[in-house]
Amino acid sequence: DARVTQTPRHKVTEMGQEVTMRCQPILGHNTVFWYRQTMMQGLELLAYFRNRAPLDDSGMPKDRFSAEMPDATLATLKIQPSEPRDSAVYFCASGSTAPITEAFFGQGTRLTVV
Amino acid sequence: GQQLNQSPQSMFIQEGEDVSMNCTSSSIFNTWLWYKQEPGEGPVLLIALYKAGELTSNGRLTAQFGITRKDSFLNISASIPSDVGIYFCAGAQGGSEKLVFGKGMKLTVNP
Repeated sequence: DARVTQTPRHKVTEMGQEVTMRCQPILGHNTVFWYRQTMMQGLELLAYFRNRAPLDDSGMPKDRFSAEMPDATLATLKIQPSEPRDSAVYFCASGSTAPITEAFFGQGTRLTVV
Repeated sequence: GQQLNQSPQSMFIQEGEDVSMNCTSSSIFNTWLWYKQEPGEGPVLLIALYKAGELTSNGRLTAQFGITRKDSFLNISASIPSDVGIYFCAGAQGGSEKLVFGKGMKLTVNP
């Protein structure tokens, strides 16, 4: 059963700490998206990659967020330093080249920054 | 940025009833998608629409891509308790791969 795997599922951290979220896309998918979901803003696209290269990270706060794909089976989203306003559910989604907008979502990482 | 207006925001219905929801925008979209999200899970793709006027079904679900390309509709027929969840519309403009999501419609089905 192919699925996007995200770890950890839950993370509670203190303000100022570094947070790393990981995502394993579906095997064979060449595009990976990072979304953030909050009650106020809903689902927002943070960044996305094609063939491990970043295509767009305009939705991501550059000063504290970074996203990478060390290899085709791993995508990471880091926050350093974390702030309470970063508390949200972070979703990774992956898709193949066509039709690319049919992204398949992971179960998310629920981040709480206290 | 672009916004999708999804309505209603929530619905409470009895099992067996049909339910309709829609999504509108002031801008043209070339792709409309409908997702369902259950508690503790990520959104799951239900239906994808790529042509204006397109009507597509997936079991008891039917979705339509509006002729103006500024709206889309999702209907669920003969609802069952497992239909409970939050339904999101999403759209992409032009050749963009970036999805814009609506705020969601929370569906409650009373047995």
